[in-house]
Amino acid sequence: DAKTTQPPSMDCAEGRAANLPCNHSTISGNEYVYWYRQIHSQGPQYIIHGLKNNETNEMASLIITEDRKSSTLILPHATLRDTAVYYCIVRSLMEYGNKLVFGAGTILRVKS
Amino acid sequence: NAGVMQNPRHLVRRRGQEARLRCSPMKGHSHVYWYRQLPEEGLKFMVYLQKENIIDESGMPKERFSAEFPKEGPSILRIQQVVRGDSAAYFCASSTSPDRGGSNTEAFFGQGTRLTVV
Repeated sequence: DAKTTQPPSMDCAEGRAANLPCNHSTISGNEYVYWYRQIHSQGPQYIIHGLKNNETNEMASLIITEDRKSSTLILPHATLRDTAVYYCIVRSLMEYGNKLVFGAGTILRVKS
Repeated sequence: NAGVMQNPRHLVRRRGQEARLRCSPMKGHSHVYWYRQLPEEGLKFMVYLQKENIIDESGMPKERFSAEFPKEGPSILRIQQVVRGDSAAYFCASSTSPDRGGSNTEAFFGQGTRLTVV
């Protein structure tokens, strides 16, 4: 079962920042937070992951609260192509492999 | 560097036939994962394979489904005697050897095979 809670949907204006929240109140110390997205009918795409420090890459930023019970994925300048389902996933450092347990995710609609 | 390649992209089978779905992982990746996405539903893990070994098949239906990842060649997901309920998108992902206890690498997904059973 997924260990995260996300809002079912969000809207964002094109060019504005999209902030997607995720609650993972039962996260343990050896679990990472991963974000993937799935653009309609395509395979999921890796975005970013982190343990406790904030992370940034060319796609997005990940802000993890100090208690690690929640995080926010930030797309700094959303475009229409960012319309997708965004999945927040927690998985353990100690688990062998990269098996992912997907929840329902957040449908992000970027509007012009 | 080519990504994860899945073929065919679309597959139509009649009830009772066999479906074979292929997945070629990214170069240098020796770990493969299969997921199924039923219409209007989320992605569900099926099986995790390393070369010539099944690591975790907890998501595989007990009957008619099997998977392999031979030493040479692609990973194959095989569905025997397909039924209409098998109609779904099947996604394959691959990764490098995981670093247990350290920073895990991410998994990369293919574009999927859409199976339609008529």
